[in-house]
Amino acid sequence: DVKVTQSSRYLVKRTGEKVFLECVQDMDHENMFWYRQDPGLGLRLIYFSYDVKMKEKGDIPEGYSVSREKKERFSLILESASTNQTSMYLCASSLWEGYNEQFFGPGTRLTVL
Amino acid sequence: KNEVEQSPQNLTAQEGEFITINCSYSVGISALHWLQQHPGGGIVSLFMLSSGKKKHGRLIATINIQEKHSSLHITASHPRDSAVYICAAYRGSTLGRLYFGRGTQLTVWP
Repeated sequence: DVKVTQSSRYLVKRTGEKVFLECVQDMDHENMFWYRQDPGLGLRLIYFSYDVKMKEKGDIPEGYSVSREKKERFSLILESASTNQTSMYLCASSLWEGYNEQFFGPGTRLTVL
Repeated sequence: KNEVEQSPQNLTAQEGEFITINCSYSVGISALHWLQQHPGGGIVSLFMLSSGKKKHGRLIATINIQEKHSSLHITASHPRDSAVYICAAYRGSTLGRLYFGRGTQLTVWP
């Protein structure tokens, strides 16, 4: 059974803290993605990676960075959390080839106080 | 303007009704995905279409490449179909990224 896991389902942090969100997939997928999801705005792409150590900015990269040191793991980092980063964060992965069916993790609901 | 537009944004139906959710896109695509998200967050893939029509149980997805339009139909709707339905376009040469519609919140009442 294919699986994408995220390190936390719920997370509460304070403004200014450094926050790490981790995503692990067990499907040997090349592509990995980080999204945030907000009511009325849908899924918005923050960053994605198509290979180890490779990353590409998505539509809303400001305030975020990523790390992909191993193929199965993709981390999202909030360097200095702010209240406007309170959101649902979803990770996904897909194969390099084909029509890019993405497999999603369960999501992390992050609240920044 | 979003490259992928969905309508309606919200949809309420009575159990048993036939439901249609529409998705239009403004760019050339290789495939169109329909996704389902239940309360609690988990997103699952329902269909991937590059042409024609696909059916899975009570769900039917169609795509018209020339008109840049896709529809998701649910026959004999049931309260368990209540979820957010999302369409997403794959453009084929964009390092694997998808372009998402904003989703349609479907609520089916018993």
